[in-house]
Formats: sequence, C-alpha cells, structure tokens
Amino acid sequence: QKEVEQNSGPLSVPEGAIASLNCTYSDRGSQSFFWYRQYSGKSPELIMSIYSNGDKEDGRFTAQLNKASQYVSLLIRDSQPSDSATYLCAATYSGAGSYQLTFGKGTKLSVIP
Amino acid sequence: DAGITQSPRHKVTETGTPVTLRCHQTENHRYMYWYRQDPGHGLRLIHYSYGVKDTDKGEVSDGYSVSRSKTEDFLLTLESATSSQTSVYFCAISELIWEKLFFGSGTQLSVL
Repeated sequence: QKEVEQNSGPLSVPEGAIASLNCTYSDRGSQSFFWYRQYSGKSPELIMSIYSNGDKEDGRFTAQLNKASQYVSLLIRDSQPSDSATYLCAATYSGAGSYQLTFGKGTKLSVIP
Repeated sequence: DAGITQSPRHKVTETGTPVTLRCHQTENHRYMYWYRQDPGHGLRLIHYSYGVKDTDKGEVSDGYSVSRSKTEDFLLTLESATSSQTSVYFCAISELIWEKLFFGSGTQLSVL
C-alpha cells in the first residue's frame, strides 16, 4: 500500500509566524513531490513541486525534501490569514510498471490575525 | 477555473440511476484525470487518460467507467449510482503525466 501521511491538524499559527507542514511517504521509489493548497469548498491548486533532496524556495514558500528519511515539508514564512487552507502533499509512486500520484489527506492550517 | 470546465456543478440523483459527469478542457493537454474527494480519505484517483481512447484505472475504479473520444473531453460514468458514490468529483489535466495537475472546480454529487 503506497501511502502519503500528513497530520490532519488543525495547525494554528499567529499571523507573521512560520508555518511548518510535514509529510511522509512510504514508497522509496517516489520521484516527484508536490504541495497543493485547497481553500474550503474550492479545488486544489499547485503551489510547489520538488524533485531532489534539499530546499526549494518560491516567495514565502519553501519545500524541503529528504529522500533518505522519506520526508517532505512545506514552510510558509510570514504567514497571512489568506494562507488559511488545507495543504495536500502528493507523491508519485510506482506500481505494476506504471506511476501514479497519491495524495495525503491534508493538513488544515489556520493563521490567526 | 480557466481552461477546464466540469459539468454539472451539482447533481442529486437516486440510487440505481446512471450518471455522467463531463470534463472539458481548452488547454490541449494530453493527460486527464478523475479524482473523488471524501472526508477522511482525501483525493483518490478513479481513472485517468493518457490520450484519446487511452485510459487506465486508478485505486477506486470499481463502479465507474470513463471515455475520451476527443482530446478536450473526458467523461466519467456511474453506471448504477450507489450512496457510497456520494462525493465531490474533481477532474484534472496536465501536460506531463502526474506533473503539476490543474484541477477543475468540482462536481458535488449526492446519491439518495
């Protein structure tokens, strides 16, 4: 069973703080990792992708990947109330000769003004 | 959402009736996907398509069929709807398979 695990939260942080969202995955063969943001009642939207070990920064967002520990994280700096949403971690996994994309159940983030 | 349209946005139907959901894209992307999202389960892949008439199953394909006769359209059919198929259904598209999916607005389906 290929799994992507996330703490469901809610994770509450004060405005201006750093929000840290974590994700673990079970398939050592996973190659690609993504973070999607989903506002309540809306569809998921891609915010970050990462493919190699280390950090990748995009504005206030930093994705971190550690393949040895099978761990992916998303840091949101200077958190804003508009960042309040559910964050979905996703990883590709291989099975029966093909790849598919598996999503975690999401972590709900609440940024308190 | 620009480039991808799902219809209908909401549907209420009765157990045992057939239901077809439509996904239409104007981006000319090769890859299209159907996911369902349920509380406690997250997003789960139903079927996906890697070209016209080329489709494959996802992890929760039982009770669902799909068709793709044109690049722009991907249909999801519930042959005989059951209450367990009450869910929010999302269509997604991408230029490269599994990479950077772009999701439609979703269809809320209720099976009574």
